[in-house]
Amino acid sequence: AQSVSQHNHHVILSEAASLELGCNYSYGGTVNLFWYVQYPGQHLQLLLKYFSGDPLVKGIKGFEAEFIKSKFSFNLRKPSVQWSDTAEYFCAVNADTGGFKTIFGAGTRLFVKA
Amino acid sequence: DGGITQSPKYLFRKEGQNVTLSCEQNLNHDAMYWYRQDPGQGLRLIYYSQIVNDFQKGDIAEGYSVSREKKESFPLTVTSAQKNPTAFYLCATGQRDQPQHFGDGTRLSIL
Repeated sequence: AQSVSQHNHHVILSEAASLELGCNYSYGGTVNLFWYVQYPGQHLQLLLKYFSGDPLVKGIKGFEAEFIKSKFSFNLRKPSVQWSDTAEYFCAVNADTGGFKTIFGAGTRLFVKA
Repeated sequence: DGGITQSPKYLFRKEGQNVTLSCEQNLNHDAMYWYRQDPGQGLRLIYYSQIVNDFQKGDIAEGYSVSREKKESFPLTVTSAQKNPTAFYLCATGQRDQPQHFGDGTRLSIL
C-alpha cells in the first residue's frame, strides 16, 4: 500500500531563511509526486508536480522539489522564504494501483516570522 | 464557471444520525474522491470513484458510504457507525494521474 511521510509537523522560520521540507513515500512502482499548499482559509492548491524526466522540478512562487528515486524522497525547497509563505504544505503520491488514487502526507505547518 | 461545489459548508449532526454531504462537479472529470482532514493528520482518503457506478474504499472507509450514480455527483454519507465524525471533509476530482482539484469543504460537528 502507498504511504507518505512528512518529517516535520511544524516549522518556524524568519524571513529570508532557506526552507526544506522532507517527504518520503513508500510504493514500489511508478509514482507521480505532488506538493500542495493550503494558505489560511483557502483551497488546497497545487505547488508543483513530478511525473518523469528532470528530477528537479520548479513550481510556483519560487518553490522547487527534487525527486530522489533511490531514497523514495521528494523534498520541497525554497532558498528564501517570505511572510506570505505561511501555510500548510502537503506532499502527495499518486500511483496506479488498479485505479489511480492519491495519498497525502500529514502536512507541515510553516510559520514565517516577519 | 468550472468547479466543484460542496454543500453544506457547515453541518451539525446529532448522535445516532446519518448525514449526507454533497459534492457536485462540472469539470467533466472521471475520478472523484472524498478526504477527511484532521489537524496533524493531513488528508486521509475515505472513498474514491474512477467511473460511474464504481467506487473503492480508501484508508478510512469504516462508518462511511458513497454512491456514484452520475458522473457529476459523488455524495458521502456519514453513518451513525462512524464514532468520531467531527472533521473537515474535502471532495476532489481528477483525471487519472493528474493533479486534483478540491472543493471548499464541509465542516461537520456533532451536537
